Amino acid sequence: DTAVSQTPKYLVTQMGNDKSIKCEQNLGHDTMYWYKQDSKKFLKIMFSYNNKELIINETVPNRFSPKSPDKAHLNLHINSLELGDSAVYFCASSHRGRFTDTQYFGPGTRLTVL
Amino acid sequence: KQEVTQIPAALSVPEGENLVLNCSFTDSAIYNLQWFRQDPGKGLTSLLLIQSSQREQTSGRLNASLDKSSGRSTLYIAASQPGDSATYLCAVRDSGGGADGLTFGKGTHLIIQP
Repeated sequence: DTAVSQTPKYLVTQMGNDKSIKCEQNLGHDTMYWYKQDSKKFLKIMFSYNNKELIINETVPNRFSPKSPDKAHLNLHINSLELGDSAVYFCASSHRGRFTDTQYFGPGTRLTVL
Repeated sequence: KQEVTQIPAALSVPEGENLVLNCSFTDSAIYNLQWFRQDPGKGLTSLLLIQSSQREQTSGRLNASLDKSSGRSTLYIAASQPGDSATYLCAVRDSGGGADGLTFGKGTHLIIQP
């Protein structure tokens, strides 16, 4: 009964490849997010999606594109991977409420670009 | 632009001690503040969420306070145990409307010595 799940857990690939990371939540939340945690363990928001609509995009390169087939899924597609994309990517979800929107995080996907 | 700072960056204390972790943020216009715990190689676990209108929240041995006007929050851990060893992250959700992501601090790495 995992709340927020991500696949794969580890992803190792070559520069220039295109890859996807999948995220699913079974909490009935209406908003999902992608965060990047760099080598210094600093977490930064990349995207958020509410009802299939992109709400924010924090200066992320357009090689990254979130795709949401439905409210329970937000997948992250990355084109032309670069060395600097190596990081841990976390998916999260919450229920859109002004004050009580606790965010629940997935276990993370460790991406290594060689 | 919101910035979140956590002090100290690392802390090591003997088991049984009470301790305080500090978090400060530059823009006091927030919806809420959330404390997370991250274990090595794992995702984030939400500990406490404090709404902007609240002063504190408690869960078991944890107590989090919020002083929005001064841009500060503290996480108090009572009677620390080795199992409390982890990185503790503070994050704020700004009052920007919509489904904003969280702005994180860099965390406090806590070690509780048995």
